[in-house]
Amino acid sequence: QKEVEQNSGPLSVPEGAIASLNCTYSDRGSQSFFWYRQYSGKSPELIMSIYSNGDKEDGRFTAQLNKASQYVSLLIRDSQPSDSATYLCAVTPTQGGSEKLVFGKGTKLTVNP
Amino acid sequence: EPEVTQTPSHQVTQMGQEVILRCVPISNHLYFYWYRQILGQKVEFLVSFYNNEISEKSEIFDDQFSVERPDGSNFTLKIRSTKLEDSAMYFCASSENRRYGYTFGSGTRLTVV
Repeated sequence: QKEVEQNSGPLSVPEGAIASLNCTYSDRGSQSFFWYRQYSGKSPELIMSIYSNGDKEDGRFTAQLNKASQYVSLLIRDSQPSDSATYLCAVTPTQGGSEKLVFGKGTKLTVNP
Repeated sequence: EPEVTQTPSHQVTQMGQEVILRCVPISNHLYFYWYRQILGQKVEFLVSFYNNEISEKSEIFDDQFSVERPDGSNFTLKIRSTKLEDSAMYFCASSENRRYGYTFGSGTRLTVV
C-alpha cells in the first residue's frame, strides 16, 4: 500500500511567521506532487504542484521536493489568519500510469493574529 | 473561475436505499473523478473516468457503486444499497490534464441512517 505521511499537528504559528509543512511518501517512483488546502467542512483546493527536485515558488508559497529522500514540503511566508486550514499532501503513484491521488491525512495549521 | 458543481450538498438516506450523487465538471475537462472523505479521515480515491469509461477504480468501488456520464455535462455516482459505513463527504473532481492536478467540487455530505 502506497502511503503518504504527514504530521497531523496542530501546527501553530504567529501571524507574519513562516509555516513549514512536511510530507513523506513511500512510492519511490512517484512523479507528481500536490499541496491542497482544505478549510473545515469544505473541499480540497489546489495550491501548489511540483514535479522535479528543487523549489517552486508561487506568491507566498514555496513547494520543495527531494525525490532521493522521498520528501516534499510547503513553506508559507508571511502567514495570515486566513491561511488557517488543513494542508493535504497528495502524490500520484507510479503503477501502470495511475492517475489517482493518494492523500496524506493532512496537517492542521493555525495562524494566530 | 470555472467550478465543479455538486448536488445535493447534503443527502440523508435510509440504509439499503439507492442514492445518486450528481456533478457537473468544468466544461473543457476530460478526466473525471470521485473521492470520498469519512469524517476525520483521509481523502480516498474511488474511481476515475475518461472517454466514457472507467479508467481506474479502488477496492472501495465495489459492485454497489457505479458511475455514469448520461449526457455531455453531468457525471453521476450511484450507490445501489447504502450502508452505514458509506456515510462520508463525496467529492467530484475534474481535470483538463491529469498530470496537473484537479479541481474539486464542493462535495455532497451523505448520511446513511
